[in-house]
Amino acid sequence: AQTVTQSQPEMSVQEAETVTLSCTYDTSESNYYLFWYKQPPSRQMILVIRQEAYKQQNATENRFSVNFQKAAKSFSLKISDSQLGDTAMYFCAFRVSGSARQLTFGSGTQLTVLP
Amino acid sequence: SAVISQKPSRDICQRGTSLTIQCQVDSQVTMMFWYRQQPGQSLTLIATANQGSEATYESGFVIDKFPISRPNLTFSTLTVSNMSPEDSSIYLCSVEASGTSYEQYFGPGTRLTVT
Repeated sequence: AQTVTQSQPEMSVQEAETVTLSCTYDTSESNYYLFWYKQPPSRQMILVIRQEAYKQQNATENRFSVNFQKAAKSFSLKISDSQLGDTAMYFCAFRVSGSARQLTFGSGTQLTVLP
Repeated sequence: SAVISQKPSRDICQRGTSLTIQCQVDSQVTMMFWYRQQPGQSLTLIATANQGSEATYESGFVIDKFPISRPNLTFSTLTVSNMSPEDSSIYLCSVEASGTSYEQYFGPGTRLTVT
């Protein structure tokens, strides 16, 4: 079974600053995918970024980037130039490659961007 | 990506009654997922619904309590039966993108309060 751990229940950052959210996971699988989802107060789950485990290059989407350390089973999210709209709950998620596999979520980190 | 709608967006129900939540997708998808998010918690998978077959339930969830229908490739319903206050949660449906990106897209959720 896979587990996903987010050790920071809450974080805050000043507007325009950079913040890093931590995520670790445990698996015996070799082919898998990692995701960060954002859930603002509207409660809509939004995919932020995705990383394939077989790719060494870290994924980047505009102000969002990841630091993927496969050997350490670590998958942190860096948000640059934080904006007020980034205030949300952030969930790290894991999925084994292949059909009919479920998404396993971490417990979440509540990020507040301060003006 | 997929656009997903859910009805109702929220409801307040009496204990002992049942509520059916609808999930509509703007494209045909093979698998649909139903999640529960209890207050302040992460997402927990209730079941996976494939068109034309019985839903597959996760440990701790049973068909008598959470019957699911999947009549076609764009629609599914989840019923929360014989409700108790412990069923107060947000219920979300999601679909997985076609291909091997394994990205999941979520509906806006249904906030259920049982009194």
